[in-house]
This record gives sequence, C-alpha cells and structure tokens, in this order.
Amino acid sequence: SQQGEEDPQALSIQEGENATMNCSYKTSINNLQWYRQNSGRGLVHLILIRSNEREKHSGRLRVTLDTSKKSSSLLITASRAADTASYFCATGEGSQGNLIFGKGTKLSVKP
Amino acid sequence: ETGVTQTPRHLVMGMTNKKSLKCEQHLGHNAMYWYKQSAKKPLELMFVYSLEERVENNSVPSRFSPECPNSSHLFLHLHTLQPEDSALYLCASSQDRVGFYYGYTFGSGTRLTVV
Repeated sequence: SQQGEEDPQALSIQEGENATMNCSYKTSINNLQWYRQNSGRGLVHLILIRSNEREKHSGRLRVTLDTSKKSSSLLITASRAADTASYFCATGEGSQGNLIFGKGTKLSVKP
Repeated sequence: ETGVTQTPRHLVMGMTNKKSLKCEQHLGHNAMYWYKQSAKKPLELMFVYSLEERVENNSVPSRFSPECPNSSHLFLHLHTLQPEDSALYLCASSQDRVGFYYGYTFGSGTRLTVV
C-alpha cells in the first residue's frame, strides 16, 4: 500500500520562525491529511485537503497540495514552543481504501 | 478528550498473560481501527471495522484478536505476546473509511510493555 513520506525527519527552529514540512506519496489519492502527535499521545487531526484543492488554511497552518508532483507541504507560521510535536501526513485512496500514514517529522520549537 | 477513549493507558504483561485493550467512541462514527506504533516505524494499520464488520486484517499474528460487539466499542484481545509487541496501540474512528470528510479521531493510546 502507498505511504506518505515526510521530509525532513526532524526539524529544530526558534520560536517565532516558520516551520515547513513536506510529504510525498506514490499513487493517486482522493485526499491528504495532516496530523499532530504529542509525545506518547494519540494523533490529532489538523487539516484535510482534497485532491481537487491546491491550498488550504486553518489558523497558523497552511497546507498545499501538488497532485502533479504527488507532494504536499505543511507550513506553521510564527511557531510556538507548544507546537513541538511530531507531524504526520496521511493519504486516503478511493472509497474502500484506508488512511495510510508516513513516518512523521519531529518538530522542536525552542523558546 | 477527543471523543475516543482507550483503556488502560499503560499495560505491562508477561508473555503468558491474556489481556484486553478497550476502545470506546460516542461520535456516531461508522468505522473503527487499531493501529500499532513502534519506535522509528510508521503507524501500522492492524484491523479495520466498518459498520461492525471486520473489513481488513493486515497479516496480523493470531496472538492479536479484535472484537467489535457494537458500533461504539472495539477490543483488542492479547495472548502469548512477544517482547517485540511492546508498542503504543492506538484506536481511531471515522465517519467513513478514509476519513474523507473529517479525518480520523484517535484515542490517547495504550502503552503496552511485554516482559
């Protein structure tokens, strides 16, 4: 089954800076989603972008999707120490497929 | 609270024990999932239930046995586990199979340690 691959694996920035994480996938999708996971906890759904959408915003989050390049990016603007977490992309294919997760990007925001 | 509750939060069990993990959702979702999260590995989808029917079993060893008695509850029965089964076990639910409308809602997970 296909899988999103996040890049970079780890990212360390200062508070106030922007954080950009990328996700690449292999086959056709009907939607791509981003999740956040604090250490040892469950994943929290952040944002969903459908295959016919190119960009979506939610608060300080901006997600883009380029289906021709099979890639997506998640931008967190004006980062805060509380944004420290792992971020995962997940792709869904068809109506019978399941959501498949990547390995995640570990973001560390230093105060 | 996400609306998906998992118990227990932590579990230590011996290799000969039998235990069960429980997941409960009252979100009116139609699909429920078990995922395994090990260190430095992607989340592994273990089982999928849609409308209380198991629709997927991803080559999971028989020492893991799922049960979905109704649309709100999901169990994972464990027996004769191995140390490599130690991991964070996550339950999730969604309105539809790929979370097309609102994504998946996850519980906080059960941290399992097999000794």
